[in-house]
Amino acid sequence: GAGVSQSPSNKVTEKGKDVELRCDPISGHTALYWYRQRLGQGLEFLIYFQGNSAPDKSGLPSDRFSAERTGESVSTLTIQRTQQEDSAVYLCASSLGTEETQYFGPGTRLLVL
Amino acid sequence: GQQLNQSPQSMFIQEGEDVSMNCTSSSIFNTWLWYKQEPGEGPVLLIALYKAGELTSNGRLTAQFGITRKDSFLNISASIPSDVGIYFCAGQGYSGGSNYKLTFGKGTLLTVNP
Repeated sequence: GAGVSQSPSNKVTEKGKDVELRCDPISGHTALYWYRQRLGQGLEFLIYFQGNSAPDKSGLPSDRFSAERTGESVSTLTIQRTQQEDSAVYLCASSLGTEETQYFGPGTRLLVL
Repeated sequence: GQQLNQSPQSMFIQEGEDVSMNCTSSSIFNTWLWYKQEPGEGPVLLIALYKAGELTSNGRLTAQFGITRKDSFLNISASIPSDVGIYFCAGQGYSGGSNYKLTFGKGTLLTVNP
C-alpha cells in the first residue's frame, strides 16, 4: 500500500503482559515517529527514528517502553509489563526527511485490562 | 513541556454554517499544521503554514499563521456532514527545540447536523 500501516489495529491485553506494536512506514521515508493518543487528548510524542537510529527518545514514558527500527523500514514499539494507564491509541508516522510532512498510520488501539 | 491551547473543545453546528477554531501557544513555532482525524483513522494533514502572517486556503478551509508565531486559526466555510471529525492544530520547530517533533493541541470535535 501507499500509506503508513500499523498492526495490530486493536490489542487487548492483561495487566503485566508485554505487547509489541508494528509500524510499516511509507517506502523511502527515512524518518519515523511514534506518538501516543489518550482518550480525548492530543497526540504525545514518544520517539523519533532517523534511519535505524533513535536520536530522540525523550517522550518515552518509562523504561517499560522501547522501540527499534530495522532496515530503515519497519519499526516495533514494545511495552513491557503493561499497566492500565498504557491504554491508548499508538500512532506511527513517517516523513521523507526530518522536517518534511509527517504522514500518519491508522494507529493501534491498546486496551490493558 | 510545550503546550498548545486549542478551542473550542467541541462544536455542534448546522450544515452550511461556517466554523472557526484556534490554537495559541506559549512558545514560538516555525510551522503550524492543521490535521483532521476521523474515527478509527490517523490524523490527515489539511493545511501547513510556514511563515508568520501566512494565510492559506485548501478548498473550503482557510488557515492563518499568526504574526507573533504563537497562534493559528482554521476556518471551515459552508460546512457539510463529511466535515465531521476531530481537528487538531500542531506546532513544529519551536525556539530552542527540535525541528521534527510535533506538539499537538487537544483537538476540536466538530459535529455537523444535516
